[in-house]
Amino acid sequence: GQQLNQSPQSMFIQEGEDVSMNCTSSSIFNTWLWYKQDPGEGPVLLIALYKAGELTSNGRLTAQFGITRKDSFLNISASIPSDVGIYFCAGQLPGSARQLTFGSGTQLTVLP
Amino acid sequence: NAGVTQTPKFQVLKTGQSMTLQCAQDMNHNSMYWYRQDPGMGLRLIYYSASEGTTDKGEVPNGYNVSRLNKREFSLRLESAAPSQTSVYFCASTDRGNTEAFFGQGTRLTVV
Repeated sequence: GQQLNQSPQSMFIQEGEDVSMNCTSSSIFNTWLWYKQDPGEGPVLLIALYKAGELTSNGRLTAQFGITRKDSFLNISASIPSDVGIYFCAGQLPGSARQLTFGSGTQLTVLP
Repeated sequence: NAGVTQTPKFQVLKTGQSMTLQCAQDMNHNSMYWYRQDPGMGLRLIYYSASEGTTDKGEVPNGYNVSRLNKREFSLRLESAAPSQTSVYFCASTDRGNTEAFFGQGTRLTVV
């Protein structure tokens, strides 16, 4: 069953604001990935994290692999209209042969 | 470079009908996956193929079968479709030793 708790479920923000979302679990993960899904499309990888404590940026996006290996967050700075979409966290459990467990997603709406 | 290609994009089936969803990747990846996405539940793994010639069950395999036809192609078959299988289906692939999954655009299946 679902092992990742992603929050918030949805967000409505003004253009230019910063955004933060996170995933938590009672299980330890080896890898954390963050994906974005546009309407009618498949998820697209944004950031991959491989070590506890790792902080990685990709343009206006920053993500961190929690030190306990049980959580991760994604920040988006200075949001723009094209940031609209669903953001998913995904983690790989130890011994899971590269299978991913997905969070339920955060629906982001950016208001002009 | 097409990446991961899924066909068809849309399908409506009657209860009890069968069909096969096709997936092909041109990235020479070893592993391929089938996920289903339902509202508010993220993506759940149906079946995966770690390498050509092998397939394994994921989290929700009941009612499905898969075939890893060759390194490029991984198909998902519904032998007797049920309304509970109404969902969006995504195929994904990963390179050897890598967790970063690349997704197709999805197949939107409705079973009536």
